[in-house]
Amino acid sequence: ETGVTQTPRHLVMGMTNKKSLKCEQHLGHNAMYWYKQSAKKPLELMFVYSLEERVENNSVPSRFSPECPNSSHLFLHLHTLQPEDSALYLCASSQELGNYGYTFGSGTRLTVV
Amino acid sequence: KQEVTQIPAALSVPEGENLVLNCSFTDSAIYNLQWFRQDPGKGLTSLLLIQSSQREQTSGRLNASLDKSSGRSTLYIAASQPGDSATYLCAVSPFLQTGANNLFFGTGTRLTVIP
Repeated sequence: ETGVTQTPRHLVMGMTNKKSLKCEQHLGHNAMYWYKQSAKKPLELMFVYSLEERVENNSVPSRFSPECPNSSHLFLHLHTLQPEDSALYLCASSQELGNYGYTFGSGTRLTVV
Repeated sequence: KQEVTQIPAALSVPEGENLVLNCSFTDSAIYNLQWFRQDPGKGLTSLLLIQSSQREQTSGRLNASLDKSSGRSTLYIAASQPGDSATYLCAVSPFLQTGANNLFFGTGTRLTVIP
């Protein structure tokens, strides 16, 4: 366990469903991130939050909606996804924004059918 | 835009062998470089973090070096074991002044250590 916990570990959803991914850290970190990992591609940054404020949205489609209610929790709300959105979604945190060591969670393996 | 390349994409070695994984990056203006390990279908585990002012970091059988001016890093694994089998990812973090908040990842080297 790295200190960053993601739930669920696996998720299968239909294209019309609505679901949420959850990330939790109690490391006292102030920045949290969502990354997407697709097969044979580098990890792609999706969203960045610092002290609960979104500071970056990396051209992500609106069917992905992040929420950061406090500095320990980060959600990714999903609706009307496409099969190409199937991937491993990774949450990470760092002490401060951008330039410190990152701690990653174990990820949620999402399959859209 | 920063690009990170890892070669080879896959590597198989017999148990006990020493090996080197390579990482190169196009923009030398980095703040730090981090090596991660990823087991199949799992998240990333941080192995070593090298600040831009450092030349190397060591942890157990692992040694990572950084040559910022040439845009290269290597991860040396001594006396490899089957448990070292995983994908190894290199990631660089840009200078804070750029305003960028991203880690730039390579696509990884998949290592198989054969018993």
